Amino acid sequence: QKEVEQDPGPLSVPEGAIVSLNCTYSNSAFQYFMWYRQYSRKGPELLMYTYSSGNKEDGRFTAQVDKSSKYISLFIRDSQPSDSATYLCASRGNQFYFGTGTSLTVIP
Amino acid sequence: DSGVTQTPKHLITATGQRVTLRCSPRSGDLSVYWYQQSLDQGLQFLIQYYNGEERAKGNILERFSAQQFPDLHSELNLSSLELGDSALYFCASSVDLYVSGNTIYFGEGSWLTVV
Repeated sequence: QKEVEQDPGPLSVPEGAIVSLNCTYSNSAFQYFMWYRQYSRKGPELLMYTYSSGNKEDGRFTAQVDKSSKYISLFIRDSQPSDSATYLCASRGNQFYFGTGTSLTVIP
Repeated sequence: DSGVTQTPKHLITATGQRVTLRCSPRSGDLSVYWYQQSLDQGLQFLIQYYNGEERAKGNILERFSAQQFPDLHSELNLSSLELGDSALYFCASSVDLYVSGNTIYFGEGSWLTVV
């Protein structure tokens, strides 16, 4: 079992939709969770960073962690074509563990 | 701009050759990580250095090696290159894995094509 698992998609939504991206993790000791956005052939950029359970909001983006179910989510409100990218979830234990990424396309 | 600098951005080389990829971490970061990302594949962790010493190894081939220098920049050496080594190679850096609130920042990558 991989430390962090992510549905690869691809996911295609119309502009303005609410997008939900999800990951699961295996180690209940993980406390730090991250979401990265990666445009094609570019380096992943840190989007959201959360500690322990709960929600964190930044503009149109909300990161949610449910430690009881070991579930990580990223919600994007009012999605824009510029949000089209691959989204990687990650967690930090004694190393950084990344999901394989979910490819998102927002159609104008 | 993450502050992590990688060179070269692109390179094309022949099978059997050797290349060196270079990374300068963010100012103040002591840890450097190398990842490989093939087409449509996830990030594969290769190796981590902390303050000049190897800290963790992932799926790094024996033909590949890395080091971190006293000025904290790092180099990834890829030798006896094969077609399958064509990929994006990312360097990332962090302050220290165990510092509260610490996270990892990526460079823009070095795109290697082996022909």
